[in-house]
Amino acid sequence: KAGVTQTPRYLIKTRGQQVTLSCSPISGHRSVSWYQQTPGQGLQFLFEYFSETQRNKGNFPGRFSGRQFSNSRSEMNVSTLELGDSALYLCASSGEGYSEETQYFGPGTRLLVL
Amino acid sequence: SQQGEEDPQALSIQEGENATMNCSYKTSINNLQWYRQNSGRGLVHLILIRSNEREKHSGRLRVTLDTSKKSSSLLITASRAADTASYFCATDESWGAQKLVFGQGTRLTINP
Repeated sequence: KAGVTQTPRYLIKTRGQQVTLSCSPISGHRSVSWYQQTPGQGLQFLFEYFSETQRNKGNFPGRFSGRQFSNSRSEMNVSTLELGDSALYLCASSGEGYSEETQYFGPGTRLLVL
Repeated sequence: SQQGEEDPQALSIQEGENATMNCSYKTSINNLQWYRQNSGRGLVHLILIRSNEREKHSGRLRVTLDTSKKSSSLLITASRAADTASYFCATDESWGAQKLVFGQGTRLTINP
């Protein structure tokens, strides 16, 4: 099976712009989670989608949003970018999204906000 | 929120030696997982230990869990250069849901 893919791999934006990141889960997986990784805050949970519904959400402002399509592919959007949004954004997929399931991570999208 | 705290933050050892990393957490958990990350890339799942388990093995990895002390340790035996990476523990903050809370990680360097 192909692994989790994320596009684009690298992105440079300027403050105030918006960005959309894409994640394609492993075939058959229905749960997709997103995480932000920064040197200062480490890895932080953004949100999880299952069957096109947001099932869990982390402590991020409303500028961060996401969605999931019927084929389980997911996108996350960040509006009005701030310098602090520069980070590695990782998505992970699992079958049903139970905590005992292994999450398979993609390679990440590295976002730089100037 | 960062639930897991890892110790040490960085560890450098010679190839062939054993490496031990520790993780502490704050709230009750359903399970604890360890992940590896190479040079800011994606995370690779290593092992999951449930709250009712005390020790688990997988190849050269040995994980222990002490729920009374809210701590876990990861032992890598007979280290190899390819083990050079950052290692993270992660706990499930919401019971049964995949909302992982990661520690800050331990940066492991294996010297040839």
